[in-house]
Formats: sequence, structure tokens, C-alpha cells
Amino acid sequence: AIQMTQSPSSLSASVGDRVTITCRASQGIRNDLGWYQQKPGIAPKLLIYAASTLQSGVPSRFSGSGSGTDFTLTISSLQPEDFATYYCLQDYNYPFTFGPGTKVEIK
Amino acid sequence: EVQLVESGGGLVQPGMSLRLSCAASGFTFDDYAMHWVRLAPGKGLEWVSGISWNSGSAGYADSVKGRFTMSRDNAKKSVHLQMSSLRAEDTALYYCAKSVLPAAPRAFDIWGQGTMVTVSS
Repeated sequence: AIQMTQSPSSLSASVGDRVTITCRASQGIRNDLGWYQQKPGIAPKLLIYAASTLQSGVPSRFSGSGSGTDFTLTISSLQPEDFATYYCLQDYNYPFTFGPGTKVEIK
Repeated sequence: EVQLVESGGGLVQPGMSLRLSCAASGFTFDDYAMHWVRLAPGKGLEWVSGISWNSGSAGYADSVKGRFTMSRDNAKKSVHLQMSSLRAEDTALYYCAKSVLPAAPRAFDIWGQGTMVTVSS
């Protein structure tokens, strides 16, 4: 199975900060990668798919980039509602695999 | 309204079986692949299983392969997860999720509220 790693595992940031989360695949996955946001007690929310396609209804401050093995999620200006845990998911082939998550906390 | 509603969770003893269901509404169900994802207490998200729009292909996480079977009934707009030989480490909130694009298995845009499975003696 393809292994996914994320960095950092957690970060502290302030409202208005630019935040970058990286995800790395153990082998090339083209652009078959999505980013999800999860808050406690709420189902995960799709932010980005196909590495850089913004899901409908998701604010434009979220963006994704990368292909092959290295990917990035960027939040251009962190908002109070963005404090959450973020996961990448490779959907290149079965079994799909999530990264371990990055918890974004208030500084 | 596009909606997924899971059911079938509960408390079960190790080694026993359980069948989860997910009822879909508000979209053309048989156009989309469907998936199960779980969230164990204190852990991260884990993809469990996925099935193509026509049941032609299915995939499983290594941790459940050989023990779990996913199926779908397009006439009833539902998917199921038959879980057997359950272990304590299968304890989790199980989400049903829909793929974002027709006929492609990737990216999950609609999620249910989840159904809790607890495996304990």
C-alpha cells in the first residue's frame, strides 16, 4: 500500500497567517490527491481534489499544488473557522490511504 | 438535498459480525462510487473500503481485507459493509461517503453523520 506522510503533525498559527501543510507519497500518484478538513464531532469536509481543484463552496483562501510524490495545501489567510485537523488522501489506487493528519491550533 | 444516512452500528463482542448500511438520497446513486471511512477514538481517518458504481470493482484497506465485504444495491440506493471477525481495533465511527465525480472512485464530497461500532467483551 502507498504510505502517506504529512508535515508538520501540528502547528500553532494566528488569524491572518499563511499556513502551508505538506504531504508526501511513498510512490508517484500523479495528481490523485485530496485534502480534507475535520473538526471534532463533524464529518470530514472535502477541500481540494485532483491535487489542485477547489471543491465547490470552499473559500478561495484554500489552494493545493503538487504532483507525483509531493503535495502542498496552503491557507492564504487563516480564519477562526479554519482551526481543525487536515488530512491528505491518495486516491490513485486501492487501498486508498490517508496521511496521519496536521492539527492547526490557535497561537 | 443530497444525503447519506448510516445505520447498523452498535456494541459487539470480539469475533462477532455486524452489517452497516448507508441510505443515499438526492443524487443519481448509480453514477457514483461509494466508500466507507472510519475514525477510531484518538486516531486519524482511515479509508476502509470502496466500490465502483456498478459493483465491478471493490477495494479494501489491508487492515480489513478478508474480514469486511462491501456491497451496493443500486435499486435501493444503498451500500453495505459486512464486517466479520471483529476486533477491538475496529472500534470506530464509520462514515459512508460519495465520490465527487461520476464513474470515478476518487475524492469524497458528501459524507454521512457516521455510525459508531464498538467491539468489546
